[in-house]
Amino acid sequence: QSALTQPRSVSGSPGQSVTISCTGTSSDVGGWDFVSWYQHHPGNAPKLIIYDVTERPSGVPDRFSGSKSGNTASLTISGLQAEDEANYYCCSHAGSYTLTFGGGTKLTVL
Amino acid sequence: QAQLQESGPGLVRPSETLSLTCAVSGHSITSGSYWGWIRQPPGRGLEWIGTVYPGASPYYNPSLKSRVYISVDTSDNQVSLKLTSVTAADTAVYFCARTPVTTIFVFDMWGHGTSVSVSS
Repeated sequence: QSALTQPRSVSGSPGQSVTISCTGTSSDVGGWDFVSWYQHHPGNAPKLIIYDVTERPSGVPDRFSGSKSGNTASLTISGLQAEDEANYYCCSHAGSYTLTFGGGTKLTVL
Repeated sequence: QAQLQESGPGLVRPSETLSLTCAVSGHSITSGSYWGWIRQPPGRGLEWIGTVYPGASPYYNPSLKSRVYISVDTSDNQVSLKLTSVTAADTAVYFCARTPVTTIFVFDMWGHGTSVSVSS
């Protein structure tokens, strides 16, 4: 059970869009439609922003969207805002009720 | 709105047992939710430790399964984590989180985490 692969960092200017990838295998990301994404401002509690690949919890802006193709899931944030600067983690079911997270991506809003 | 608060010793000696509790307020621990523990070593990503549904056998990360025990205390509305034979690699911020029964592979509510260092 290896960690999912995410870019260490991404950046974008306010108003732009950024996409964060999350690459796994056919045993996790590619095998199940159970990918979730979390936003984490250090020192705070992580926040669920996408679940089941594309679903948004109530209260999460529609600027956040998720998708998946093969063994790679993606989180897209459009209309970047300063408050979006945070660490983002993907997570996937990996069979037999085991979960694996990505290494995290630091988003910088320029 | 449920709130989760982790607590425990900030320092544990190598080879000893790490014990943490997660106090849940605003939500009965037996009312249809799973409860999990996740950790974040310094400078690294999140790692799932395990998840439990009250009254059922817990699910554990295979890499930690031989050393971890998660339980629910319904009388105190708390979730507990025990990790035995700790080493420096177990130094991390430990989070507890809730999983709703409707979407059992997500954590929709988290505590702020508690920092644990393993050192002599």
